Amino acid sequence: SYEVTQPPSVSVSPGQTASITCSGDKLGDKYTCWYQQKPGQSPVLVIYQDTKRPSGIPERFSGSNSGNTATLTISGTQAMDEADYYCQAWDSSTVVFGGGTKLTVL
Amino acid sequence: QVQLQESGPGLVKPSETLSLTCTVSGGSVSSGSYYWSWIRQPPGKGLEWIGYIYYSGSTNYNPSLRSRVTISIDTSKNQFSLKLSSVTAADTAVYYCARALAGPYYYMDVWGKGTTVTVSS
Repeated sequence: SYEVTQPPSVSVSPGQTASITCSGDKLGDKYTCWYQQKPGQSPVLVIYQDTKRPSGIPERFSGSNSGNTATLTISGTQAMDEADYYCQAWDSSTVVFGGGTKLTVL
Repeated sequence: QVQLQESGPGLVKPSETLSLTCTVSGGSVSSGSYYWSWIRQPPGKGLEWIGYIYYSGSTNYNPSLRSRVTISIDTSKNQFSLKLSSVTAADTAVYYCARALAGPYYYMDVWGKGTTVTVSS
């Protein structure tokens, strides 16, 4: 079965750029999306179809996907962006989640 | 604005069947534009996709759970449901329902608040 891998944790200073990766075999050939989850809350879609932002998601969130790696980039990271982030791929009509990355803003 | 709400028992005994319902408001499960999904999250762990159903009744399940999962849809009540049989403590989790758009892509744009299910005698 298909698998995608994320780093368990990423740290970033306020105002800097955070990059969270998601790796999988030929992942660039598949569409990837990203969810943000804060403690005690439901996940929120922040990027879909590799690069698109839902309405209401700040412009500082962006995505890319090429080769074997998809990347979620948060520019000018704010304290409110501290959360768990999950990538999700779509392979053979099944949904595959990454293990999640805890983003710490310090 | 579409909203999803999970409901069902918060406590299930080992070996029994977990049953949850997701009620959709502000939209219709009969819409051909969406898939209706179940996802779970064990305490302190990541998200796990359980499966989805289309308004036509077609389904697809996580291979690791396929032998125990049934997802159904009731268009008259605007609900879809999850049944997970032969549960163990490993099935203790927050269970979410979500709306998804699919094509050559699949993403879940509206989620319920989640419901906690504990498997214990």
